Amino acid sequence: AQTVTQSQPEMSVQEAETVTLSCTYDTSESDYYLFWYKQPPSRQMILVIRQEAYKQQNATENRFSVNFQKAAKSFSLKISDSQLGDAAMYFCAYRTTTNNDMRFGAGTRLTVKP
Amino acid sequence: DSGVTQTPKHLITATGQRVTLRCSPRSGDLSVYWYQQSLDQGLQFLIQYYNGEERAKGNILERFSAQQFPDLHSELNLSSLELGDSALYFCASSLSRVSSPLHFGNGTRLTVT
Repeated sequence: AQTVTQSQPEMSVQEAETVTLSCTYDTSESDYYLFWYKQPPSRQMILVIRQEAYKQQNATENRFSVNFQKAAKSFSLKISDSQLGDAAMYFCAYRTTTNNDMRFGAGTRLTVKP
Repeated sequence: DSGVTQTPKHLITATGQRVTLRCSPRSGDLSVYWYQQSLDQGLQFLIQYYNGEERAKGNILERFSAQQFPDLHSELNLSSLELGDSALYFCASSLSRVSSPLHFGNGTRLTVT
C-alpha cells in the first residue's frame, strides 16, 4: 500500500522562530510529486509548496522550504520566521502517475506562540 | 479563491436520509476528486472522475455514489446516512497532469443527527 506518514501530531513554535514538520512516504513509483497543504481554522485547503521527485533541488516558496531526501523517502517542511498566521494543520501528500489521486498524511497541527 | 465551488456549505439531516453534495470544478479542470474529513482527522480519498468517467476509487462506502456530468460538475450522493457520516466533504479539481496540484473547494459540512 502506498502511504504517507506524519509522525508529529502536534508541533509548537515561537513567533519568528523556525520549525520543521516531518513527512515520510512509501511508494514504488519513480515518477511522483509531493505537496504540502495548509488547513487553517477556516478549514480551507491551501497549497503551500510542491516538489517534483525527479528534481534534486529542494523547492522554496518565500518562508517555506522543503528538505527532500528521495532515498529516505522523506519530505519535510521548514517554516522560517514563523508568523501567527502560520498556525494551522499541515498535510503532506503525494501523487503518482499510476495513482492519479492524491494521498494525504494524517496531518500535523502547528501552534505559533506570540 | 480556488475557483472550485461546493454547495451547500452546511447540511443537517437525520439518520437514514439521503443527501446530494454538488461541486463545480475550476474552469479547464477535467478531473474532480471527493474527499471526506472527519473531525480532526486527515483527508480520506473517496473517488475521482476524469471527463465524466470514474478514474480511481478509494475507501468509498457502497452507500455513497458519485458522478460527473457532461458540463464537468460532479455530485456526491450519500444514502442511508449514519451518525458516523458526519464530516466535512471536500471536492477538488485539477488538470490531468500528475504534476498539477489539487484545488479544493471550501467543503460541505454534513451533520447527521
